[in-house]
Amino acid sequence: DTAVSQTPKYLVTQMGNDKSIKCEQNLGHDTMYWYKQDSKKFLKIMFSYNNKELIINETVPNRFSPKSPDKAHLNLHINSLELGDSAVYFCASSQDRDRGLTNYGYTFGSGTRLTVV
Amino acid sequence: SQQGEEDPQALSIQEGENATMNCSYKTSINNLQWYRQNSGRGLVHLILIRSNEREKHSGRLRVTLDTSKKSSSLLITASRAADTASYFCATDMNSGYSTLTFGKGTMLLVSP
Repeated sequence: DTAVSQTPKYLVTQMGNDKSIKCEQNLGHDTMYWYKQDSKKFLKIMFSYNNKELIINETVPNRFSPKSPDKAHLNLHINSLELGDSAVYFCASSQDRDRGLTNYGYTFGSGTRLTVV
Repeated sequence: SQQGEEDPQALSIQEGENATMNCSYKTSINNLQWYRQNSGRGLVHLILIRSNEREKHSGRLRVTLDTSKKSSSLLITASRAADTASYFCATDMNSGYSTLTFGKGTMLLVSP
């Protein structure tokens, strides 16, 4: 019963290709996120969606396009992959802060290790 | 932009000892959270402390928050080899929707 699942776990592809990473959460959370973790383990927010609407779009190349078909899914499509895109991409979800819950930490998926060769 | 900065970058201790990690941040926050990441895995939420709280406990974890100094600490008592992981602090700023900004993390090694 994985709470946040993302596929694939590993992705090795050539420069210039287009690839997608899928993410699904079964927690009923309102908000979903994509984070990128570089080789030095630094985590940076890329996008966040709240109830299928884009909330945050950090300075990310427009080759990266998130798509949220419904509240439980947030997929990441990457066009024209470059060597510098190699990283681990994490999907996460959270409940809305204003729901007054005592603990609204994020739930992370196990990550997708993308290697561009 | 990066918000939290953990200190130290790496910490090596023996089982049974306590481990203390510190985090500093720059702007006003709604809450601060600590996460653990085992090698090759996703992040696991450990504890959340709100801006109006000063201390929180969860099992062997103790978190403090000093908003005047914009700093937090995570104390793991009686550490175990299984505590070996990277620990990240993350700040949730006081505006709009929640967005966590992570520090660079502290790598903790607990030797048997």
